[in-house]
Amino acid sequence: DVKVTQSSRYLVKRTGEKVFLECVQDMDHENMFWYRQDPGLGLRLIYFSYDVKMKEKGDIPEGYSVSREKKERFSLILESASTNQTSMYLCASSLGQIVYEQYFGPGTRLTVT
Amino acid sequence: AQSVAQPEDQVNVAEGNPLTVKCTYSVSGNPYLFWYVQYPNRGLQFLLKYITGDNLVKGSYGFEAEFNKSQTSFHLKKPSALVSDSALYFCAVGSTGRRALTFGSGTRLQVQP
Repeated sequence: DVKVTQSSRYLVKRTGEKVFLECVQDMDHENMFWYRQDPGLGLRLIYFSYDVKMKEKGDIPEGYSVSREKKERFSLILESASTNQTSMYLCASSLGQIVYEQYFGPGTRLTVT
Repeated sequence: AQSVAQPEDQVNVAEGNPLTVKCTYSVSGNPYLFWYVQYPNRGLQFLLKYITGDNLVKGSYGFEAEFNKSQTSFHLKKPSALVSDSALYFCAVGSTGRRALTFGSGTRLQVQP
């Protein structure tokens, strides 16, 4: 079974802090994704990566950056956290160049105060 | 561009009755269609997918979905609902040449005993 893990289930940070969310997958998947989930808005893609050191912006990249130094690890960085970044953050991975199903981690609920 | 619409925020059904959760999509070219389920405080779990072939796709936990090209729909169905099916359901669409999926806003399924 594919396993996608996220570094924290719950996180509370202060406005202006730099926040790191980490995601690790154990199935040698090429693609990794970061989404945020908000009630009534579904999942919105922040960034994704299709290879080490490669990234593409999703639908809502403003205020976020990402890092993929190793194939199994994909980090989401909030450079200066703001209250409107309070949300559930979900990481996912998928195999290959064709559109495959994505496998999700358990999520990190981030609260910015 | 690709998009997904889930027209119902919530679907209520009695245990033992059939259930349908609706999804329509818009995509250039042939669609790759997915259904996911999310239980409280959990990540998304893959249920089923349509890539090509038979319009009726069977998935996990007794769920199935019907692809209808003329109506651009991919409705999720189950012949007999269980209380344990109560969860949040997401439809997603992908297309050739684009690795990222686009998710709908989600439909909350409530199965009453």
